[in-house]
Amino acid sequence: DAKTTQPTSMDCAEGRAANLPCNHSTISGNEYVYWYRQIHSQGPQYIIHGLKNNETNEMASLIITEDRKSSTLILPHATLRDTAVYYCIVRGSGAGSYQLTFGKGTKLSVIP
Amino acid sequence: DAGVTQSPTHLIKTRGQQVTLRCSPISGHKSVSWYQQVLGQGPQFIFQYYEKEERGRGNFPDRFSARQFPNYSSELNVNALLLGDSALYLCASSPMGPTNEKLFFGSGTQLSVL
Repeated sequence: DAKTTQPTSMDCAEGRAANLPCNHSTISGNEYVYWYRQIHSQGPQYIIHGLKNNETNEMASLIITEDRKSSTLILPHATLRDTAVYYCIVRGSGAGSYQLTFGKGTKLSVIP
Repeated sequence: DAGVTQSPTHLIKTRGQQVTLRCSPISGHKSVSWYQQVLGQGPQFIFQYYEKEERGRGNFPDRFSARQFPNYSSELNVNALLLGDSALYLCASSPMGPTNEKLFFGSGTQLSVL
């Protein structure tokens, strides 16, 4: 699976949009981009995933660049409960793609 | 509906001992994965089981073993504990096959080895 690069930490004002970037320049054509987050003392929580098109669900939006070398997770109206470590993960879809390879993620702090 | 449940929540062991951690997946989920999370790092893949068979194994020594039962619950065993095994052990389940995109994680078992 391709490696991802994320900023170590970010701050966001409560009520504003949080934009979390991720670089995955070695991503291959059949690899998906996944986002999970981990709130302190809990297990990771699935947020969203996509292949090449932009995706949106009730939690967030995922914007993937046309060349697929980077993506941005957008939390449209951040709340204090969104303070967490956010992990960007690239994962294949074929045999052997059963594991998630987590990096260190981005620690997002939502500030009142 | 109950989420993924893990027991115990906390555990203290001494070096050389053996430990068994337990995981009950979400009802209807047939795949269970185990991850180790050392303080300050992201979770690291240990095992995946699907339909009671091992489908994947991470880069962990043979001291780590696991199994899945007919009711799809799972146990992770670690023998000859080392100080470095101190970590949060996470279990995750998914409803479909091994490559299903969504994993649902439990809150983990915090293991301390003294």
